Amino acid sequence: GAVVSQHPSWVICKSGTSVKIECRSLDFQATTMFWYRQFPKQSLMLMATSNEGSKATYEQGVEKDKFLINHASLTLSTLTVTSAHPEDSSFYICSARVGTIPYEQYFGPGTRLTVT
Amino acid sequence: AQKVTQAQTEISVVEKEDVTLDCVYETRDTTYYLFWYKQPPSGELVFLIRRNSFDEQNEISGRYSWNFQKSTSSFNFTITASQVVDSAVYFCARHSGNTPLVFGKGTRLSVIA
Repeated sequence: GAVVSQHPSWVICKSGTSVKIECRSLDFQATTMFWYRQFPKQSLMLMATSNEGSKATYEQGVEKDKFLINHASLTLSTLTVTSAHPEDSSFYICSARVGTIPYEQYFGPGTRLTVT
Repeated sequence: AQKVTQAQTEISVVEKEDVTLDCVYETRDTTYYLFWYKQPPSGELVFLIRRNSFDEQNEISGRYSWNFQKSTSSFNFTITASQVVDSAVYFCARHSGNTPLVFGKGTRLSVIA
């Protein structure tokens, strides 16, 4: 089956610094990737949708200047959390979509971000 | 937004009991797709099933079974003879057309030995 990887799997950073999370589709090309955030004991909340070569579409309430998404190729999307704060600590999950309707959507293993 | 509701926040059962996880969805679409995912403590989502709106047949896969009823907009998931390894958070989700997956709030299942 299709594999989506994320790197790093966990990261600890200091408040005020930026951290970049990579999401790769390993054996397929994904025209669309999604970024979700999951707080402890909560559901996955969609942050943004990114299409290769285009600007990401952010969900309401998600600061696009804080969560920079780049989808430069069909196999790589990155999420950069800029000027991170403790409230940004969360589990970030990327997902890659392939095919036509009905799409197949594959999920990465997630990245746990802790901001101290 | 067309919501997915999982009313059961947490369920606890004793091993070998059967358990049903409820999922109710909202939709204005004729064609849509429903999913169940398992999220074990490791955090990685595990795909369990996808059901198309035009296929109301129930499905069984081993100890897992799904009951899809369009009349009540429900897509319930039953685990028969539960095991400790079934302990996880289970998410119901839907999408239609070009929309991304929208998840319910999840049900945390604890199976006690």
